[in-house]
Amino acid sequence: SYELTQPPSVSVSPGQTASITCSGDKLGNKYACWYQQKAGQSPVLVIYQDTKRPSGIPERFSGSNSGNTATLTISGTQAKDEADYHCQAWDSSTVVFGGGTKLTVL
Amino acid sequence: QLQLQESGPGLVKPSETLSLTCTVSGGSISGSSYYWGWIRQPPGKGLEWIGSMYYNGSTYYNPSLKSRVTISVDTSKNQFSLKLSSVTAADTAVYYCARHQGPYGDRNWFDPWGQGTLVTVSS
Repeated sequence: SYELTQPPSVSVSPGQTASITCSGDKLGNKYACWYQQKAGQSPVLVIYQDTKRPSGIPERFSGSNSGNTATLTISGTQAKDEADYHCQAWDSSTVVFGGGTKLTVL
Repeated sequence: QLQLQESGPGLVKPSETLSLTCTVSGGSISGSSYYWGWIRQPPGKGLEWIGSMYYNGSTYYNPSLKSRVTISVDTSKNQFSLKLSSVTAADTAVYYCARHQGPYGDRNWFDPWGQGTLVTVSS
């Protein structure tokens, strides 16, 4: 079965750029999306179709996908961006999620 | 604004069947191109897709759960439901319902999500 791998944790200083990766075999040939999940809340879609932002998502959130890795980038990270981030893709008629990455804003 | 709300028992005994309902408001389940899905998250762990269905009954299930899962829809009530049979402690999780763009490679995301409901499997 297809697997997506994320680092368990990433740390960033306020105002800096955070990059969260999601790796899978030939992931660049598929579309990836990303969800933000703050403590005790439901996931919220922040990136879909690799690079697109839903309405209401700040421009500091961006995405890319190439080769075996999709990346979520948060520019000018703010304290309120501290959350778990989950990547997701579709393979062989199955939805696949990564294990999630906890972003800490120090 | 589309909203989804899960409901059902918070405690289920081992070997019994977990049953949850998702009520959709602010939009219709039928007559659109969207699928409707269930996702769960064990405490402290990542997200796991359970399955998705279209209002006409077309379904896609996670192969690892397929033998125990049934997702159905009641268009008259604008609801869809999840049944998971023969539960064990490993099925303890927060269960979310969400609108699913569909089983397509180019549009496959979930948005929006319900608030989630914790289901504990314990005797």
